[in-house]
Amino acid sequence: AQRVTQPEKLLSVFKGAPVELKCNYSYSGSPELFWYVQYSRQRLQLLLRHISRESIKGFTADLNKGETSFHLKKPFAQEEDSAMYYCALTNTGGFKTIFGAGTRLFVKA
Amino acid sequence: NAGVTQTPKFRVLKTGQSMTLLCAQDMNHEYMYWYRQDPGMGLRLIHYSVGEGTTAKGEVPDGYNVSRLKKQNFLLGLESAAPSQTSVYFCASTTQGGNQPQHFGDGTRLSIL
Repeated sequence: AQRVTQPEKLLSVFKGAPVELKCNYSYSGSPELFWYVQYSRQRLQLLLRHISRESIKGFTADLNKGETSFHLKKPFAQEEDSAMYYCALTNTGGFKTIFGAGTRLFVKA
Repeated sequence: NAGVTQTPKFRVLKTGQSMTLLCAQDMNHEYMYWYRQDPGMGLRLIHYSVGEGTTAKGEVPDGYNVSRLKKQNFLLGLESAAPSQTSVYFCASTTQGGNQPQHFGDGTRLSIL
């Protein structure tokens, strides 16, 4: 069965510290993986996707097929990074997306 | 540049009442989705549509119905609201293809008393 697991409900770090939000997935095919972010009082929006191999707002994520993981990382957290982060997987054919339960990141001053 | 628009933004219902949530997108997207967001459970797919006139069940479809009579609109109906349906509802749309991101609306906060 398709599943996306984000083991941490809440992650609290100090400003300037590295941050890693974990995401593991279960999928038999070749997944398309995404990270979405929801800032306070804003709509859910795309942060990055694995196919683009890009860095957005200092965040990167590498797809590790061996470990079936897609962890989100940033070397130096900023207060404005405080938000809810969702890892998501889209199935082959692209018409259905499974979201993880989300991790709330709190960056302390 | 509206993107995905959801109406209403807030609503309080009594158990047993019915209502319809409207989602409209102006991006000519083929695929549209309804999710519910509950604490600790992330976003769960209720129903989705891959084109005008077609709908399909998602992960948690019971108690909901949908219609996609026009490509730009996707309606979510609650025929007989129950307290368990208290949630925040999000609509999303995307173009065809698995590597395309979904575009979300602002959400509808629905409380069932």
